[in-house]
Amino acid sequence: DQQVKQNSPSLSVQEGRISILNCDYTNSMFDYFLWYKKYPAEGPTFLISISSIKDKNEDGRFTVFLNKSAKHLSLHIVPSQPGDSAVYFCAATRYNTDKLIFGTGTRLQVFP
Amino acid sequence: DTGVSQDPRHKITKRGQNVTFRCDPISEHNRLYWYRQTLGQGPEFLTYFQNEAQLEKSRLLSDRFSAERPKGSFSTLEIQRTEQGDSAMYLCASSLGGNTNEKLFFGSGTQLSVL
Repeated sequence: DQQVKQNSPSLSVQEGRISILNCDYTNSMFDYFLWYKKYPAEGPTFLISISSIKDKNEDGRFTVFLNKSAKHLSLHIVPSQPGDSAVYFCAATRYNTDKLIFGTGTRLQVFP
Repeated sequence: DTGVSQDPRHKITKRGQNVTFRCDPISEHNRLYWYRQTLGQGPEFLTYFQNEAQLEKSRLLSDRFSAERPKGSFSTLEIQRTEQGDSAMYLCASSLGGNTNEKLFFGSGTQLSVL
């Protein structure tokens, strides 16, 4: 039972353009969502998060949007840079639980 | 201490052998987590500790798996009688705790290959 889904395994974007990574979830009890970035041979690193009481959170070039009615969130990266090339994982959790449920990841490639 | 440290980075073993991995969390972090990641999948939760207490174990963690955090600092994950299906990246993460939505800091993982 895949509670967090990232249906696009890969995405290729030109440098300077916008990258949009999507994530869907099925468990309506999830109330906190995070995005992690992973480079090869490294562990995932935290990127940005959003609480279910918000619909948008912004940090520099990164913005996460949450649509609770659609159980959908997206990560926007603008402008995209070659250093953003990595695998991006969406994760979700519930208040008073202590584990993250991860999606399968989207590999982003930003080309010059 | 600049991050979560895991040792070894790679482990190749034969089926049926026992293996043990070590994780050193960020020093002031109370919570320590073990996750497993297989090819094409995201990390899957295995277990976590609040200080030295193991508070939750996933159903993924069969009886062949055991984790300890004896003094609330470093942790070990042991797999007994390894099987080929145990081949995966084993990730350790830590957090300050207190806020259950605290973001996790991951180590670089231990890549296990069972032949």
